[in-house]
Order: sequence, then C-alpha cells, then structure tokens
Amino acid sequence: GAVVSQHPSRVICKSGTSVKIECRSLDFQATTMFWYRQFPKKSLMLMATSNEGSKATYEQGVEKDKFLINHASLTLSTLTVTSAHPEDSSFYICSARDSWGNTIYFGEGSWLTVV
Amino acid sequence: AQKVTQAQTEISVVEKEDVTLDCVYETRDTTYYLFWYKQPPSGELVFLIRRNSFDEQNEISGRYSWNFQKSTSSFNFTITASQVVDSAVYFCALGSRGTSYGKLTFGQGTILTVHP
Repeated sequence: GAVVSQHPSRVICKSGTSVKIECRSLDFQATTMFWYRQFPKKSLMLMATSNEGSKATYEQGVEKDKFLINHASLTLSTLTVTSAHPEDSSFYICSARDSWGNTIYFGEGSWLTVV
Repeated sequence: AQKVTQAQTEISVVEKEDVTLDCVYETRDTTYYLFWYKQPPSGELVFLIRRNSFDEQNEISGRYSWNFQKSTSSFNFTITASQVVDSAVYFCALGSRGTSYGKLTFGQGTILTVHP
C-alpha cells in the first residue's frame, strides 16, 4: 500500500479561491518533503523543499506567496495554491524522505483544475 | 546545475520487441544517485531502480535491465520482450547524496507505447 498519501487526488476550484493539498507520510516520519509540479505531457519540476518546523526552500522562479508550503508535523506537509488561476491547473506530486534519509516515497499526486 | 536529457520523446513498438530508453545526465557532484520511474496514465510515479554513482554494475530485474556508463554519463533502460502493460511515460532522474538527498532533477520523459 501507499506509504505517502496525497489528498485530494482531484480538485476543481474557481479562479480566485485557494486550495490546499495535503501530503502525508503514513508509517514513517519525514522531516523533509518535496513538492513537484507537472504540466501535461511535461516533466516534473521541483517547486520547493519542505522542512518540518522551518520555512520551505523554494526553487528559483516559484512564487512563495502563491504556493504556500507548511510542514507543521513530521508526517504532514501542505501546499496551498492561493488566489488560483487557470494557469495553475496542473498535476502536483509530493515526495517524502524517510528519517534515515535512505528512501524517497512519492505520493499519488493531485490533479488541480482551476475554472 | 544538474541536468537530465532523455532524447527520445516518444517510442512506439510492437509487443515482444525489445526497447531501450536513453538517459544522459550532467552533474558536478562526484557522487550521486540515478533513478528510473514509470508513470502510467493515472499519474503516480512507480519506482523502478536507484543506482549509486559508484556502483557501475549493470542490473537486471526480470524483463528490465539497466546499463550505467559513468564515462559517458548515461544510464539507459532496456525492456526485453515488451508488453502492452509497459505502455507509460518513463522518467530518468538524478539526485544528490547527503542532505539534499530526495531533491530530484527529472528528464523530459519518454512516452512508450507498446502495440499488441
């Protein structure tokens, strides 16, 4: 079964609203999680590194005020897309590194559609 | 900066054919990890292999095999006797070791279609 769970798997929201996507490690503690974005038929691009108890580290070109990342516990990181626009429509996928730093687990991904 | 190039955007084969997916990478790290993932239409990433840069042994797992050539910075993936269920997008990825472990740079992906 999945060891990293994302919720929701699909979400449709209206332009101008905010939407939150959760990434949860189910049976291990993850001090570090990663958020990726994938446009249709494109590669996965790292958006940010989420560290438990501290601010996320964003990749160049990613708007941190637009994509709010919170990693408040050792098993949960959230990505909030604020004031969503249709161009934010994408597939968002998270990954988590186990505490020993040996293994990376990916979530199932979340399809976001902004209408 | 790290870079991964998968030159083949799309490959189409007939079932039972062998197919090789190419991956070339660039990194300044002296040690690193290389990965292959499979992404079916549902979107999730299915882990296939992780290879440490100091381990150049080729690996075989069932119908899958990987050829790592550090001298040419390549990590190619071969599917032997392809099947329709192998149809998916395949990504090669590069990651650092140490504190940045888990932060991956993905190639553009290769869409593999296996026809019956």
